Amino acid sequence: DTGVSQNPRHKITKRGQNVTFRCDPISEHNRLYWYRQTLGQGPEFLTYFQNEAQLEKSRLLSDRFSAERPKGSFSTLEIQRTEQGDSAMYLCASSLVGGSTEAFFGQGTRLTVV
Amino acid sequence: TQLLEQSPQFLSIQEGENLTVYCNSSSVFSSLQWYRQEPGEGPVLLVTVVTGGEVKKLKRLTFQFGDARKDSSLHITAAQPGDTGLYLCAGDSGTYKYIFGTGTRLKVLA
Repeated sequence: DTGVSQNPRHKITKRGQNVTFRCDPISEHNRLYWYRQTLGQGPEFLTYFQNEAQLEKSRLLSDRFSAERPKGSFSTLEIQRTEQGDSAMYLCASSLVGGSTEAFFGQGTRLTVV
Repeated sequence: TQLLEQSPQFLSIQEGENLTVYCNSSSVFSSLQWYRQEPGEGPVLLVTVVTGGEVKKLKRLTFQFGDARKDSSLHITAAQPGDTGLYLCAGDSGTYKYIFGTGTRLKVLA
């Protein structure tokens, strides 16, 4: 399977704990995106990388959120001191700049903060 | 801030009926994607439109990009229960950053 892969698929955590999600993009794709989606809404942009450089961060991404893509391949999204409002589906997508304009999504990580 | 508004938000129809979903913005997009999303899954790309006025067909689905590249529509002919899902449009302003619409939740009843 050469699609976008996200792990874990589901995460339940207690309020105040830290969580980390991983995304493995399509191998030749140089751009990687993180989105957050709450129930009944469209995905909201959080941040994106081109290769290892983080080019833009949304104002939705508070100081408790950090994303990395250290070698320009996989990426991690960490949430520190989780709050109940962080409960959402976290989606990763990748695309090829200079190729087609399409972004392909992973299956998402569903986070529940209790 | 670029915004994409979709209408209707919810649509419940009988099998065999036709429907159209709209995606509107005041901003110009260099391309626009349509996705369908099942509960608990990530969005799956259906089509990308790039040229103003472009029409693309995918079986019973017809996608159109507005002449000014600010709006798009998705028309489904003879809807089937398998078409049920959340339909999302997403626009790229040319920076390869995708802004999503509010979504249209479609339910097709057998």
